[in-house]
Amino acid sequence: QVQLVESGGGVVQPGRSLRLSCAASGMTFRNYGMHWVRQAPGKGLEWVAVIWYDGSNKYYADSVKGRFAISRDNSKNTLYLQMNSLRDEDTAVYFCARDIRSARLDFWGQGTPVTVSS
Amino acid sequence: DIQMTQSPSSLSASVGDRVTITCQASQDISNYLNWYQQKPGKAPKLLIYDASNLEAGVPSRFSGSGSGTDFTFTISSLQPEDIATYYCQHYDNLPQFTFGPGTKVDFK
Repeated sequence: QVQLVESGGGVVQPGRSLRLSCAASGMTFRNYGMHWVRQAPGKGLEWVAVIWYDGSNKYYADSVKGRFAISRDNSKNTLYLQMNSLRDEDTAVYFCARDIRSARLDFWGQGTPVTVSS
Repeated sequence: DIQMTQSPSSLSASVGDRVTITCQASQDISNYLNWYQQKPGKAPKLLIYDASNLEAGVPSRFSGSGSGTDFTFTISSLQPEDIATYYCQHYDNLPQFTFGPGTKVDFK
């Protein structure tokens, strides 16, 4: 069965960096676009970034553009999110999700929490 | 940017009730709209895609309709396991992916 497992979250000071990973199994990872979606405590869902199945295209929410970078290693079945210049408002649970087609996010990981605090 | 609104922001209903949630886009988005269910502490789950198509394995009491700017999500007979927050999500060719603010459904 399809599994997405995020890791790399934690507590980090403002201005520092963190890299999240999402390990995929039970699927042909290289065939799917992948997203990062986040949820601040007590708040709704916010889309963060998407990467095409082959890594050829990457797009970001305005709130993270220039600070976050999405990437993937299809040989390792792993998605990444490099988060730089972190701000208090980046505090959230970060989910990775598979895009089967046209933003139809049919499988999600369990999420990894990121807390930005001094 | 296209803005998505949902109403109501929360509702209380009884088991067996028909529940309706609306999602409105600030401009025509055709049928580029999905609906998700999220239970506390869990990841979201896709229920409806392309406005009206039921995702595989999702109970038929869930349905969606609409196109253009106005969309509706319906639970025909509320069950205890349906207590959750429901989000609409728009996608476009920019691409941008925008979630609505969510509707929390609980028991009366």
